[in-house]
Amino acid sequence: EPEVTQTPSHQVTQMGQEVILRCVPISNHLYFYWYRQILGQKVEFLVSFYNNEISEKSEIFDDQFSVERPDGSNFTLKIRSTKLEDSAMYFCASTHEGGITEAFFGQGTRLTVV
Amino acid sequence: AQKITQTQPGMFVQEKEAVTLDCTYDTSDPSYGLFWYKQPSSGEMIFLIYQGSYDQQNATEGRYSLNFQKARKSANLVISASQLGDSAMYFCAMSAKAAGNKLTFGGGTRVLVKP
Repeated sequence: EPEVTQTPSHQVTQMGQEVILRCVPISNHLYFYWYRQILGQKVEFLVSFYNNEISEKSEIFDDQFSVERPDGSNFTLKIRSTKLEDSAMYFCASTHEGGITEAFFGQGTRLTVV
Repeated sequence: AQKITQTQPGMFVQEKEAVTLDCTYDTSDPSYGLFWYKQPSSGEMIFLIYQGSYDQQNATEGRYSLNFQKARKSANLVISASQLGDSAMYFCAMSAKAAGNKLTFGGGTRVLVKP
């Protein structure tokens, strides 16, 4: 069964460092998303991406964040200068179409900023 | 704006019994979908079941069923014949056309199945 793959599964980084979280969505999916889950809290939408551009972003997704689809298969989330409060589980998700449909989630990347 | 409310932070259920997880939602969009996801302790998000706002029948997927009451804006998940492997966090989420189809999640309900 096709799946969304995220790497790394865990990342520890120093405050102020840049991190790149990687995702390989399901191959025939066209819409991509990043979500964040701070420990013990609800899952929050960060950004959606379609046709090589951002469709929508939340207020969390400030100038420190960027997304890219560099090579047609990978979908990356970059945090330029990490803060302690960026520590969270980051989920990538993809959907085949843009309508209301099941989103397939990756297994998540647990980011710890120290 | 969309809002999802899960009022039960945690529940115990006896193995082989059924459990109902509550979810209420709020949206002004007539076209929306309701989803339930399971998050085991390993952290991944597993899709369980989907209900569209125009669906006439309640959704069912194996041991999972969704009790959709549109007038009450509720979409409760029923897990029948609970198994030990059902112990996890369960999230209700919604997606609406006017909101760009992104998912809005509730706060989750932790279920612990007792042997």
